[in-house]
Amino acid sequence: SAVISQKPSRDICQRGTSLTIQCQVDSQVTMMFWYRQQPGQSLTLIATANQGSEATYESGFVIDKFPISRPNLTFSTLTVSNMSPEDSSIYLCSVEGNRGHYEQYFGPGTRLTVT
Amino acid sequence: QKEVEQDPGPLSVPEGAIVSLNCTYSNSAFQYFMWYRQYSRKGPELLMYTYSSGNKEDGRFTAQVDKSSKYISLFIRDSQPSDSATYLCAMSGGGSYIPTFGRGTSLIVHP
Repeated sequence: SAVISQKPSRDICQRGTSLTIQCQVDSQVTMMFWYRQQPGQSLTLIATANQGSEATYESGFVIDKFPISRPNLTFSTLTVSNMSPEDSSIYLCSVEGNRGHYEQYFGPGTRLTVT
Repeated sequence: QKEVEQDPGPLSVPEGAIVSLNCTYSNSAFQYFMWYRQYSRKGPELLMYTYSSGNKEDGRFTAQVDKSSKYISLFIRDSQPSDSATYLCAMSGGGSYIPTFGRGTSLIVHP
């Protein structure tokens, strides 16, 4: 199983600012995923990040708002740009397990509050 | 209609009870069915997965899939306070490997 850490664990930010969330995995992985978990809502995939290529964004999410970097096989960052209170959420990164796409390991999440 | 429907609860049961958690879905192409457990302030962790229809048992946990009814269940026997968490169903298939998650059901097992 993969061990994933995220920084920061939580933050309170003012509207209009940006926050970069870091995700570190203890083993090399091809794909990393970024999710958003809003209160009372299901986990929603923001984008898939492969090392060496542009991230693939899901419908409703755009690169200008959520730029992603994937500089190597163990690390990724997600930036939440020009934040508004609607961006208040938990942001999670995940990776696939050895058994395939139906097995995902998640980080502990970053709890973001925008005031 | 959402692709995956899951009652958010909370579901409160006494210790030792049998718990039944359920999800319905609309996409008949789903082939992989997963249950994740999420403790407060933690990320989800995979509990069980099932491919296609049928039952799967792992200790006190049993996962059931009824594709004809588009209905999946997770049963927890002899529930313990440590089972208190949010349980998320997830499913994938039909050419997409990205799982679609339910909203999660909050379970509280009180001593």
